[in-house]
Amino acid sequence: GAVVSQHPSWVICKSGTSVKIECRSLDFQATTMFWYRQFPKQSLMLMATSNEGSKATYEQGVEKDKFLINHASLTLSTLTVTSAHPEDSSFYICSARMVGGTNEQFFGPGTRLTVL
Amino acid sequence: RKEVEQDPGPFNVPEGATVAFNCTYSNSASQSFFWYRQDCRKEPKLLMSVYSSGNEDGRFTAQLNRASQYISLLIRDSKLSDSATYLCVVTTRLPGGSYIPTFGRGTSLIVHP
Repeated sequence: GAVVSQHPSWVICKSGTSVKIECRSLDFQATTMFWYRQFPKQSLMLMATSNEGSKATYEQGVEKDKFLINHASLTLSTLTVTSAHPEDSSFYICSARMVGGTNEQFFGPGTRLTVL
Repeated sequence: RKEVEQDPGPFNVPEGATVAFNCTYSNSASQSFFWYRQDCRKEPKLLMSVYSSGNEDGRFTAQLNRASQYISLLIRDSKLSDSATYLCVVTTRLPGGSYIPTFGRGTSLIVHP
């Protein structure tokens, strides 16, 4: 149980295009989903916290107009990287916290974004 | 000062060795503590939660010291497959009621034959 999927797992795009990443909790409902970014040999950096039905809370330094987050249901959150540039190339990982559960997070497999 | 600090390592140990990692956190209001394991280019996977009373799972033992604000992970009889990055995660409740996780940068473990 407690499986989280992400789609796509890998994407290459041209500079200036927008990329949407989906995060789904497959067998549980998630009150909260988190979006992280991880650069090579660095730790996960929390970008934003997404609560179902409300606006996402962004961490300091993360542009909310560039990284659009939508959490339309208890099983789906999306992150859209708008007008992507090469410096946005990174490993994007989502995690979900179960409704009524502990603070344990269940991670998706990640999306590797490369912007040319 | 970073909220969650870990020695990045790498810790390079032979098979069968015992190795210990520490992690310190700065927010005394932190409530939940976890160790995650992350393999190269993969997502983190929960290794174990950490409780004040300490907990053990096979070769792995985790401890929490709230007074000193650190958590530890002990790995006994290291296996080659234990080679990975071990992430310390601290969750803190914000005034609005939400819980925010903070990751350490991870400690790299390399177990060699």
